[in-house]
Amino acid sequence: ETAVFQTPNYHVTQVGNEVSFNCKQTLGHDTMYWYKQDSKKLLKIMFSYNNKQLIVNETVPRRFSPQSSDKAHLNLRIKSVEPEDSAVYLCASSLQGPQNTLYFGAGTRLSVL
Amino acid sequence: GEQVEQLPSILRVQEGSSASINCSYEDSASNYFPWYKQEPGENPKLIIDIRSNMERKQIQELIVLLDKKAKRFSLHITDTQPGDSAMYFCAASHQGGSAKLIFGEGTKLTVSS
Repeated sequence: ETAVFQTPNYHVTQVGNEVSFNCKQTLGHDTMYWYKQDSKKLLKIMFSYNNKQLIVNETVPRRFSPQSSDKAHLNLRIKSVEPEDSAVYLCASSLQGPQNTLYFGAGTRLSVL
Repeated sequence: GEQVEQLPSILRVQEGSSASINCSYEDSASNYFPWYKQEPGENPKLIIDIRSNMERKQIQELIVLLDKKAKRFSLHITDTQPGDSAMYFCAASHQGGSAKLIFGEGTKLTVSS
């Protein structure tokens, strides 16, 4: 049963536009993550939050900005998308930090034309 | 460094044979090593993990081995079935407030009948 919900499933946009992705987990977990999975299936950590606080901020372009209103929600905004932003963005949550099982959402597939 | 290397990138085996995937890590503080399976069109799911206080762990047909001195760990799938065909990712993390789960590059396993 899906417990990490991501919207939208797909998003097609043009270079320079702004996009926002939403993620909600109903598992009562403290930690949430954004991972980027590219066309070669590489999984790269972008951000992690623990109880609304930013914990990990990998070297990502400044046009990416995460937002967390509470520990169950973690959104991702991309200002002025670039072609290399085309990927699947996977949201995940874990009970407390990365040494517990990560539960992934279904992902948001972004295509930048 | 935080890199996790994974080999091979592509693995093809016959049904009933064994499949082995090898990973190495750089951060000597890493102490948690999970394996995730991602089926086509699905999100990654944890299948087995091992912590640094163990050298071997088995869950049914899955065996993981950890060599802390060599900073290597491996997944062995015995008696492979077509349903084992998927992408497999190893990962590593250490404890601490800024810890993150770093994934290997992935192995595409195909089990042919």
